Amino acid sequence: SQTIHQWPATLVQPVGSPLSLECTVEGTSNPNLYWYRQAAGRGLQLLFYSVGIGQISSEVPQNLSASRPQDRQFILSSKKLLLSDSGFYLCAAGWGAGTDTQYFGPGTRLTVL
Amino acid sequence: GDSVTQMEGPVTLSEEAFLTINCTYTATGYPSLFWYVQYPGEGLQLLLKATKADDKGSNKGFEATYRKETTSFHLEKGSVQVSDSAVYFCALSAGTGGFKTIFGAGTRLFVKA
Repeated sequence: SQTIHQWPATLVQPVGSPLSLECTVEGTSNPNLYWYRQAAGRGLQLLFYSVGIGQISSEVPQNLSASRPQDRQFILSSKKLLLSDSGFYLCAAGWGAGTDTQYFGPGTRLTVL
Repeated sequence: GDSVTQMEGPVTLSEEAFLTINCTYTATGYPSLFWYVQYPGEGLQLLLKATKADDKGSNKGFEATYRKETTSFHLEKGSVQVSDSAVYFCALSAGTGGFKTIFGAGTRLFVKA
């Protein structure tokens, strides 16, 4: 079975501080990996996706970046957080040509003060 | 581009009431269609899916039928329970080699005892 781990579960950071959120995947190798953000009471916004090690596609220009140093590790980073970066960050994994189910991690609640 | 539109919430029902959450989509090609559910403070999990026209997905008493002629994938349940209170997301994934899943804005369901 596929299990997605995310940490930390919650994070409170001051404006201007750096960020690193980590996602790891258990199960089948070669997943497609995704970072989403969900603002309070809103839908999902796709931030980044990756189809392989070192391959990152950005969907929304912003002060966030993503990296995939290993096949089943996906990291979301920022050098300087903004208030607008607050939200619920979800990592997801999928296998195949994009028509298959996505498996989601439990999410990280980020509050920027 | 591809898109998903679902009814705005919140939807408030009494226990044992009939549930319908409408979802329509716009897509090129032949996408797969999904319903995901998000319980408070958690990530999304797959509720059901359908991969071709006229397929019916079902799980935990929920059903949805892939209607190509009306480009719809409405979610239904005959008798809701308090434990069904959650946010429901309709989604599609491209059948033309794309790696992204397109999500609707989500519909929050409250079920009262």
